[in-house]
Order: sequence, then structure tokens, then C-alpha cells
Amino acid sequence: DVKVTQSSRYLVKRTGEKVFLECVQDMDHENMFWYRQDPGLGLRLIYFSYDVKMKEKGDIPEGYSVSREKKERFSLILESASTNQTSMYLCASRSQGTETQYFGPGTRLLVL
Amino acid sequence: GENVEQHPSTLSVQEGDSAVIKCTYSDSASNYFPWYKQELGKRPQLIIDIRSNVGEKKDQRIAVTLNKTAKHFSLHITETQPEDSAVYFCAASKDGNQFYFGTGTSLTVIP
Repeated sequence: DVKVTQSSRYLVKRTGEKVFLECVQDMDHENMFWYRQDPGLGLRLIYFSYDVKMKEKGDIPEGYSVSREKKERFSLILESASTNQTSMYLCASRSQGTETQYFGPGTRLLVL
Repeated sequence: GENVEQHPSTLSVQEGDSAVIKCTYSDSASNYFPWYKQELGKRPQLIIDIRSNVGEKKDQRIAVTLNKTAKHFSLHITETQPEDSAVYFCAASKDGNQFYFGTGTSLTVIP
């Protein structure tokens, strides 16, 4: 069974704080993704990575950065959190040979 | 970029009836169309997918149809059960990395 885990289920941060969201997968998947999910907007891709140290912007990368130092771990960084970044953040991974994405449980971030 | 529209946003059906959710897409290069089910408080899970070289795919009570000419695809759930109640998302991709999701359909199956 593919397992994708995220470091926190709930997180409360202050405006201006630096925030790290961690995602780990245990299936040796090459591709990893970060989405945010907002009511009425569905899932929107922030960044994805197809290999260690490689990253590509998705639809809404502004205000975010990512880090992939190890194959199993993909981090999303909010350099200076703002209230409009309050959202549910979902990580996903997939094997290079398939198109099926496996999602983590999500991190609900509240920025005050 | 791609634009995926999904309708309806909410759907209520009686147990045993069928449910249909429709999505349209704009980029004719999109060639992979997954459907995800997200139960309350849980992660999205793939329930069925279809590729552009196939017109229809079935898996027990779930089916997906694709009309490439019209650029739309639909999810069909027959003999609905209360455990089918969830939010359903469609998506489209042409490269397996950039996925564009619909805005979701909240399905309620009334016992």
C-alpha cells in the first residue's frame, strides 16, 4: 500500500511567519506534488517535482517555494505567511511509469 | 492553460438511483482524465480514470464516458448507496504532471 504522510494535520501560524509543510512517501515515487484545496475552487497545483532537487511551478506558485533534497521528501515553504494562504494543503506522489496520484491526508493551515 | 468545469456542484439522489456528474475541458491535448472521491475529512482517492483512446470504462457500479470531440467526460454511479456520499472531483492532464481539477460535486445519497 502506498503511504503518503504529511507532518501536521492542523497548523496555526501568524502573519509573516515562515512555515514548513513536510510530505513523505514510502514507495520510491519519482514525482511529488503540492496542491491547495479551497471551497468552490477545487485543487490547484502549487509546485511539483519529478526528481531530487528538480521542481516545476504549477498554477499558483506565488508566495510559495519547495525543496526536494531526498527522493521521499517534498517540502512546501511559505516564506512569509499571509492570511490568504489559509487553506487545506495536499501532497501527492506518483510513480514515473503511471499516472495515478496518491494523496496525503492534508494539512489544514490557518494564518492569523 | 487548461480549464476544467464540473457540474453540478451539489447533487442529491435517493438510494438506489443513479448519479451523473459532468466535466468539460478546454485543451484538446489533454489525454488523461481521472476521477477522485473525497469523503469528509479524508484524502482524495482515485476511483476510476480514462485515457483519450478509450470512450468508456466501467468498474462495477462506476463508469466514465469520454467524448473527445465535444471535450467532455462524465462519471456515472448506478445503484447508489449511502457510502457513495462524498465530494467527487474530475481532472484532466496531458503530461501526467500538470493536473487541472474541477471544482467538485458534493453527492448526497438519501437512504
